[in-house]
Amino acid sequence: GIQVEQSPPDLILQEGANSTLRCNFSDSVNNLQWFHQNPWGQLINLFYIPSGTKQNGRLSATTVATERYSLLYISSSQTTDSGVYFCAVVRDSGYALNFGKGTSLLVTP
Amino acid sequence: EAQVTQNPRYLITVTGKKLTVTCSQNMNHEYMSWYRQDPGLGLRQIYYSMNVEVTDKGDVPEGYKVSRKEKRNFPLILESPSPNQTSLYFCASSFKGAKAVRDTQYFGPGTRLTVL
Repeated sequence: GIQVEQSPPDLILQEGANSTLRCNFSDSVNNLQWFHQNPWGQLINLFYIPSGTKQNGRLSATTVATERYSLLYISSSQTTDSGVYFCAVVRDSGYALNFGKGTSLLVTP
Repeated sequence: EAQVTQNPRYLITVTGKKLTVTCSQNMNHEYMSWYRQDPGLGLRQIYYSMNVEVTDKGDVPEGYKVSRKEKRNFPLILESPSPNQTSLYFCASSFKGAKAVRDTQYFGPGTRLTVL
């Protein structure tokens, strides 16, 4: 199956810092989403971004499909940004979202 | 409010006692699916449905059943739960049937199931 690798696996930031999370995938995809799983376990949609760049407030994402990677940028981080960030893709021939193992982010005051 | 709802949110049960986790969406989505999340294994798809009366197995279907009698509902049935089905379960939906996988998938709040 398709491989989805996220880095770094863990990240600790001080409030106000910026960060970049990376997602590499091993095959052509027709869907790529970024999610935030909050401490209560809920999966929150951040971006649907199979290609190009999008921004939503302090968050932005870029996917370069031809080079098989996506980046999630978090600027001016806040403690509420803590949680696990997942990248998930659907390969061209498939139906399931294939999730990476996530980046666990802790933002300290 | 557009949403995917699941019930119950938390459930503790015993081995062999049949249970159903309900999933409902109010967005008129054609595609619905179930995932389970386990430490070290991540999220994996159990079953999916492209439309009413159309269901298919995902990556880990063993021990589960589903049905899609109505567009808005997609219940997950565990006929004889076992401890290895202890997990966090998510229902998801998206808009377009055949092209649903090219569309944003929305997730429910999750159901924490413990099987003793």
